[in-house]
Amino acid sequence: DAMVIQNPRYQVTQFGKPVTLSCSQTLNHNVMYWYQQKSSQAPKLLFHYYDKDFNNEADTPDNFQSRRPNTSFCFLDIRSPGLGDAAMYLCATSREKAGGTQYFGPGTRLLVL
Amino acid sequence: QKEVEQDPGPLSVPEGAIVSLNCTYSNSAFQYFMWYRQYSRKGPELLMYTYSSGNKEDGRFTAQVDKSSKYISLFIRDSQPSDSATYLCAMTGGGSNYKLTFGKGTLLTVNP
Repeated sequence: DAMVIQNPRYQVTQFGKPVTLSCSQTLNHNVMYWYQQKSSQAPKLLFHYYDKDFNNEADTPDNFQSRRPNTSFCFLDIRSPGLGDAAMYLCATSREKAGGTQYFGPGTRLLVL
Repeated sequence: QKEVEQDPGPLSVPEGAIVSLNCTYSNSAFQYFMWYRQYSRKGPELLMYTYSSGNKEDGRFTAQVDKSSKYISLFIRDSQPSDSATYLCAMTGGGSNYKLTFGKGTLLTVNP
């Protein structure tokens, strides 16, 4: 089945220790998104790639970066996680941007100690 | 006023009930409307996708869009305990207005 895969599902890191979350897709979609979702809140878009074109949301902290080495993979790097970065991180894909339905992965739950 | 308003609930119904979930929005540029279901500690799963006004049915689920009132609904017939989840409405426009704007989600519990 075509899908969006996220690894790991749970990640524990220490305050200030860099962490990388990964996402892969077998849908061959052009667009990949990273969202942050905190408890009982809507997903918040951090950034997205349209192919290799990177788009950062204005309010995404500098602490968060992303890489997309190829169509299938996208990574979220958190350079110096703070306690406030503990959240569910969701990867999503869509074929196109305008009107494109987004398909989400299962998420990675990040805990910062 | 927020762009998308959704009653967070929680909503608790008995098994077999008809459930109505609603969102209102203020941006008239929204053209594409989605409902996602999110189980606890999982990613959102696309349930329904509609374009413009009207109804769309898929099994026990019906999505309704009224663009003149800026109001969308999701109806669940014969609700089951397995429908217990958070339901997120989401919407987007065309062209440059492509980002998804989500409601905060409604937590639904269907009691056996």
